[in-house]
Amino acid sequence: NAGVTQTPKFQVLKTGQSMTLQCAQDMNHNSMYWYRQDPGMGLRLIYYSASEGTTDKGEVPNGYNVSRLNKREFSLRLESAAPSQTSVYFCASSEERQVQQYFGPGTRLTVL
Amino acid sequence: GESVGLHLPTLSVQEGDNSIINCAYSNSASDYFIWYKQESGKGPQFIIDIRSNMDKRQGQRVTVLLNKTVKHLSLQIAATQPGDSAVYFCAENGNSGYALNFGKGTSLLVTP
Repeated sequence: NAGVTQTPKFQVLKTGQSMTLQCAQDMNHNSMYWYRQDPGMGLRLIYYSASEGTTDKGEVPNGYNVSRLNKREFSLRLESAAPSQTSVYFCASSEERQVQQYFGPGTRLTVL
Repeated sequence: GESVGLHLPTLSVQEGDNSIINCAYSNSASDYFIWYKQESGKGPQFIIDIRSNMDKRQGQRVTVLLNKTVKHLSLQIAATQPGDSAVYFCAENGNSGYALNFGKGTSLLVTP
């Protein structure tokens, strides 16, 4: 039981490039989340998916898109990366509409 | 907007002492609070949670206290060990019901 997995672990992009961060969970959870964490800061919610087929904006959605591919997978896409998107990105999952969330190991993204 | 904040950014304690990490929240609609532990290079790990209809909840070596009157949350760690060194975040569920708002974190350093 791997829990929540994220790929890649590290990524360096140039300004304007695009990429997709992948997240998968094997706990049969309905709800999934994407957060970003900046140095010295707590986690800020980018997007979440309460259940398969639905997505909602969080606190900081600008510059990002998400896809809930199926129950297991929730991807985050940066269409045109900017230096302000340099951050550590965490994916999480939970039972549907339950607060206790389980986090992946994170993706460290640098945009030059 | 609503926010979750911490009183101290860093806390240094001696091994074997008790640790107290504090958190203030401002959203009176929050009814669920969680403490997470984040070790360097890893995702946050659930420690303990408490609902707003409770004042205190105990786990293994940890106790969470909730004072709704002054909107204050604390995490007490008994007999602090070197493995407790990490950043601790409080989080609350705010207006969404299940998407979490995180505080900025307190770094706990346990010295021998």
